[in-house]
Amino acid sequence: GQQVMQIPQYQHVQEGEDFTTYCNSSTTLSNIQWYKQRPGGHPVFLIQLVKSGEVKKQKRLTFQFGEAKKNSSLHITATQTTDVGTYFCAGDSGNTPLVFGKGTRLSVIA
Amino acid sequence: GAVVSQHPSWVICKSGTSVKIECRSLDFQATTMFWYRQFPKQSLMLMATSNEGSKATYEQGVEKDKFLINHASLTLSTLTVTSAHPEDSSFYICSARDLKAALQETQYFGPGTRLLVL
Repeated sequence: GQQVMQIPQYQHVQEGEDFTTYCNSSTTLSNIQWYKQRPGGHPVFLIQLVKSGEVKKQKRLTFQFGEAKKNSSLHITATQTTDVGTYFCAGDSGNTPLVFGKGTRLSVIA
Repeated sequence: GAVVSQHPSWVICKSGTSVKIECRSLDFQATTMFWYRQFPKQSLMLMATSNEGSKATYEQGVEKDKFLINHASLTLSTLTVTSAHPEDSSFYICSARDLKAALQETQYFGPGTRLLVL
């Protein structure tokens, strides 16, 4: 079945440093979604990417979808303590439930 | 935005009892809701897909007789953990798709229910 792999599993950064998490699917996706889960909270939808090679920005967050629609990345510029949490990618192959990556847990040291 | 509620948020029960968890879409209709389980520091694992008016589709390894799902309306799905045991202790999260949203594949998550079975 479809698998979604996400790396790294953990990332510790100093406040102000950049952060990137990568997501790879074993199959071509119709879209990929990114979620953020704060400690003790539930996943919150951040963005959906649909088009091959698509790049979207949300303030300090930049999301990319690969040309082959099998990989994606989330980059945070100049991290802040409010960025702490686990970032999940989730792949949608169309008419199937989302398949979540294992997440990247980000901690930011002030 | 789309809001999904879950009730209860916390439940502690004795081994052998059954626990019902409700998932509601408050301001939109959802023909499809999803139930996930998340163990500490792990990813969300899909348990089943709940379709309004029909039987749920369970993922491999999930016992349908133990995790009963009912999706009686376009805004409500329930998950009943029957004869709960300590190994069922987990964080249960539901999500729903908004039929009329521009991004129909987007899932909106409930706040989750933490179940502790003693």
